[in-house]
Amino acid sequence: DSGVTQTPKHLITATGQRVTLRCSPRSGDLSVYWYQQSLDQGLQFLIQYYNGEERAKGNILERFSAQQFPDLHSELNLSSLELGDSALYFCASSVEGQGKNEQFFGPGTRLTVL
Amino acid sequence: TQLLEQSPQFLSIQEGENLTVYCNSSSVFSSLQWYRQEPGEGPVLLVTVVTGGEVKKLKRLTFQFGDARKDSSLHITAAQPGDTGLYLCAGFSGGYNKLIFGAGTRLAVHP
Repeated sequence: DSGVTQTPKHLITATGQRVTLRCSPRSGDLSVYWYQQSLDQGLQFLIQYYNGEERAKGNILERFSAQQFPDLHSELNLSSLELGDSALYFCASSVEGQGKNEQFFGPGTRLTVL
Repeated sequence: TQLLEQSPQFLSIQEGENLTVYCNSSSVFSSLQWYRQEPGEGPVLLVTVVTGGEVKKLKRLTFQFGDARKDSSLHITAAQPGDTGLYLCAGFSGGYNKLIFGAGTRLAVHP
């Protein structure tokens, strides 16, 4: 158990819909990272937040957005869903914002878009 | 764009065999990490290599960072069924915040 929690574990929805994925980092970690893992693209960095502020952006679509709340939990919002958005979405957390520190991954949310 | 290429993609071996997994790039990385991911779980960090030529050992696993810091290898001695999983290499890009992952090597060790 990494100490990072993600909900829900599974999510099945239809094209065009909007979903919210939730992540609670390890106690004491200020940084939260979101990753997408699909069969054809592998594990890809989406976005990082540090203490409530966006720190780094990766291959995140405009239809996707994220935020980190004062209690440090984070949410990833996916809208206008397409079939190709079906993937595992992982959240990771680390102590500091520079990313060199170990990132601890949650168990992931499996999103299926039908 | 920094890319990490892993080979082989798949590896199916018998218990007790040795194996090596490779992670290559045309770019220099300040450090490389190796993760193992099991089905239904997130990746778990195994090791971070920082210095060119560095060798780190974790029980039966030996990790090496290339002298030019563009490649790394993972060698497993006497593989066991518990070693089964997806092995991912990753490197930091863009000021340490973006972790770039290779596509992974899926290892199956049969009893």
